[in-house]
Amino acid sequence: QLQLQESGPGLVKPSETLSLTCTVSGGSISSSSYYWGWIRQPPGKGLEWIGSIYYSGSTYYNPSLKSRVTISVDTSKNQFSLKLSSVTAADTAVYYCSNILTGYTDVWGKGTTVTVSS
Amino acid sequence: EIVMTQSPATLSVSPGERATLSCRASQSVSSNLAWYQQKPGQAPRLLIYGASTRATGIPARFSGSGSGTEFTLTISSLQSEDFAVYYCQQYNNWLPFTFGPGTKVDIK
Repeated sequence: QLQLQESGPGLVKPSETLSLTCTVSGGSISSSSYYWGWIRQPPGKGLEWIGSIYYSGSTYYNPSLKSRVTISVDTSKNQFSLKLSSVTAADTAVYYCSNILTGYTDVWGKGTTVTVSS
Repeated sequence: EIVMTQSPATLSVSPGERATLSCRASQSVSSNLAWYQQKPGQAPRLLIYGASTRATGIPARFSGSGSGTEFTLTISSLQSEDFAVYYCQQYNNWLPFTFGPGTKVDIK
């Protein structure tokens, strides 16, 4: 059974880079069946798709975040990662990693809260 | 970007009653629409994909319909565990995927 787990710092200072990793278990990140993605949810608000990656490294980024986002994959560790640069308080959110089938997500990580504050 | 809207923002329903939630896309998304349920402190859970296909393990009281720009999620007889926030998401356009703002279903 596919499971995903986010990890990374819960507190990031303004202007610094947020870095999170998602570890995939119960399946291979190199599966041709999935893309892998990051989605976030600010406190009390809705869901925002950040970006997606295929095991080959092919990426899609939300145009609204593209200049600050990098998503990468490490097939040897069965992990993929998110980097978001120049963060502000507006980047405070619960960050979820997920699989992506033909565009929808059927497995989500539990989410990790990231607060941007000095 | 395809903008998704949902109505109503809040729906107050008594247990056992039927709930009808609406989702509208700013342009056609064909049948590339999913519905998710989210409870407080939890990750969203996939309910419906392809506008009308129930995900694995989802009870038959959940049904989806629509295509193009107008979609509906119906919960035929609300159970206590169904009180939650429901989001629609289009995946016809990958740049970007977009979610609706959500409909909160609460107890009347």
